[in-house]
Amino acid sequence: KAGVTQTPRYLIKTRGQQVTLSCSPISGHRSVSWYQQTPGQGLQFLFEYFSETQRNKGNFPGRFSGRQFSNSRSEMNVSTLELGDSALYLCASSQDRGGQTQYFGPGTRLLVL
Amino acid sequence: SQELEQSPQSLIVQEGKNLTINCTSSKTLYGLYWYKQKYGEGLIFLMMLQKGGEEKSHEKITAKLDEKKQQSSLHITASQPSHAGIYLCGADFRGNTPLVFGKGTRLSVIA
Repeated sequence: KAGVTQTPRYLIKTRGQQVTLSCSPISGHRSVSWYQQTPGQGLQFLFEYFSETQRNKGNFPGRFSGRQFSNSRSEMNVSTLELGDSALYLCASSQDRGGQTQYFGPGTRLLVL
Repeated sequence: SQELEQSPQSLIVQEGKNLTINCTSSKTLYGLYWYKQKYGEGLIFLMMLQKGGEEKSHEKITAKLDEKKQQSSLHITASQPSHAGIYLCGADFRGNTPLVFGKGTRLSVIA
């Protein structure tokens, strides 16, 4: 089975712009979670989608949003980018929700200038 | 305070030596996950522990969860350069919630 894929792998944006990141889960996985990883804060949970519904949300401002499509693919969007949004954004998928192992993609590295 | 503490923060070991990384939770764990990350890349799943006293091994890596389900250790035997990377523990506190990760342990293996 193919693993979790994320596109693009690298992205450079300027402050104020918006960005959309994409994640394709492992075939058959219905849950997709997004995490932000920075040197200072480590890995922090953004949100989780299951069957096109947001089931959990982390403590991030409303500029961060996401969605999941009927084929389980997910996108996350960050509007009005700030310098502090520079990070590695990781997507993880699991078969179902609740105690299932999450498998991570390679991440999208976002640099905001 | 952090819900999940990892120690040490970094570790430099000579090739062939054994090492242990610890992960301590402030609450009882429903499940504990160990991942490895190469710098700037995604996380690779290593092992998941759920039962108190459980121990799992994969190649030269062994992970244990204590009886109280609040502490886990990852032990690498006869370390190799391929073991270098960042090791992260992730806690599942209720079985239906997102994982909470420790800050990670950066492991370097020198010849």
